[in-house]
Amino acid sequence: KAGVTQTPRYLIKTRGQQVTLSCSPISGHRSVSWYQQTPGQGLQFLFEYFSETQRNKGNFPGRFSGRQFSNSRSEMNVSTLELGDSALYLCASSPPLGGVNTGELFFGEGSRLTVL
Amino acid sequence: AQSVTQPDIHITVSEGASLELRCNYSYGATPYLFWYVQSPGQGLQLLLKYFSGDTLVQGIKGFEAEFKRSQSSFNLRKPSVHWSDAAEYFCAVGAGNQGGKLIFGQGTELSVKP
Repeated sequence: KAGVTQTPRYLIKTRGQQVTLSCSPISGHRSVSWYQQTPGQGLQFLFEYFSETQRNKGNFPGRFSGRQFSNSRSEMNVSTLELGDSALYLCASSPPLGGVNTGELFFGEGSRLTVL
Repeated sequence: AQSVTQPDIHITVSEGASLELRCNYSYGATPYLFWYVQSPGQGLQLLLKYFSGDTLVQGIKGFEAEFKRSQSSFNLRKPSVHWSDAAEYFCAVGAGNQGGKLIFGQGTELSVKP
C-alpha cells in the first residue's frame, strides 16, 4: 500500500508570494491533517479535513487555508508569504476505527518551504 | 489546555544500553497517547499508541510505553538500543473527538554512542 505522498518536496519562494502544497493520503483514508514543523515552535496543527469538510482548525492566521477533494487528496495554500512561514509542512492521513477517527496519523515526508 | 512536556531535549546512550524517554501530559479526560519517531529529513513514523486497556503497550522496533494516569506520564522504553535508533522522538496527545488534531511535545533527540 502506498504511503502518504506530498509534493513538492522542496520549494523556495519570496516574501509576498503564495504557495500551494499537495497531499495524497493512503488509499482508504478519508482524514487528512496538516502540520507545520519549525525548530522554534515544533509541530503545530494547522487543520484537518474529512470528507471534503474542515473538521478541526489550529491557531494559524487566515493566510493558511486548505481544501480536500472528493478523492481525499488535499491541498494547503499559504498566501502573502512571510519569512516566518519557512518550515517543513507535514501532511498526515488517518484511518477510521469503527467510523471514529482515532488520531493515529500516517505522515508523509513533508514539503520543505523556504521563504526568502 | 492540553499540553505535552518532554523534559529531555537531548539524550545520549551507548549502543546496547537501555533507554527511557520521558513524557508528561496535561489533559482533562482520558487521552489518546502516541509516540512518533522522526529520522532526519523524514516524516514521522508511529511507534506505538495507547487508547485504553492494558497500560503497557508494545510498539514497533522493540519499543514499549507505559501509561500512568496518576503521574500523567507515558514514558517510552527500549531494553537495548541500536545505532539505528538515533532519531528524534515525539510524544503526542489527542482526543477521540479531535480526530487528527494532536498536541506534540517538543521532542527528544536521541544520539547513540558506539
